[in-house]
Amino acid sequence: TQLLEQSPQFLSIQEGENLTVYCNSSSVFSSLQWYRQEPGEGPVLLVTVVTGGEVKKLKRLTFQFGDARKDSSLHITAAQPGDTGLYLCAGVRNDMRFGAGTRLTVKP
Amino acid sequence: KAGVTQTPRYLIKTRGQQVTLSCSPISGHRSVSWYQQTPGQGLQFLFEYFSETQRNKGNFPGRFSGRQFSNSRSEMNVSTLELGDSALYLCASSSRLRGEANTGELFFGEGSRLTVL
Repeated sequence: TQLLEQSPQFLSIQEGENLTVYCNSSSVFSSLQWYRQEPGEGPVLLVTVVTGGEVKKLKRLTFQFGDARKDSSLHITAAQPGDTGLYLCAGVRNDMRFGAGTRLTVKP
Repeated sequence: KAGVTQTPRYLIKTRGQQVTLSCSPISGHRSVSWYQQTPGQGLQFLFEYFSETQRNKGNFPGRFSGRQFSNSRSEMNVSTLELGDSALYLCASSSRLRGEANTGELFFGEGSRLTVL
């Protein structure tokens, strides 16, 4: 079983729609990171959230860390084809453990 | 500033063989981590090295091993390859220092895609 469960596993939407993906765990993390991976490349960091309840915005992306620091969500407003990719959450303790990811496809 | 470099990018092996993958971290980074990525399991943590010492290890069999050199370059080795070892192997470096609790940002290479036939 994964330490971090991400849902949904796959998501296909039309350009302009909104979406939310989730990252859940029964473990507490000192911080949580979100990465995006495009085909043929390694994951690239989008954001780090540290404080329980913290909300961070990156243009059309909004990240929230749960109050208990066990879960997180990523909300994308008005998705664009350029948002297509694999979104990975990673929980930080002594090391970093990743979820299996949400594969997002945004159709023009 | 050059990124993380992994070689080879692609390789094909047969069952029972062994393979060595190489990773050159970003200059100045002393922490190197390895991950196995498969469609069903996502990124699975293999191990982390810092200053030539293995600091953390994931739940993989002993066929998976690694090392780090004095220049921070790292290699991982998989012996007696199995079909299930087919995966993308990703290396990541960070500026994490000895004793720091958090890993900070990981900078990934493009990976080495291993196919075992």
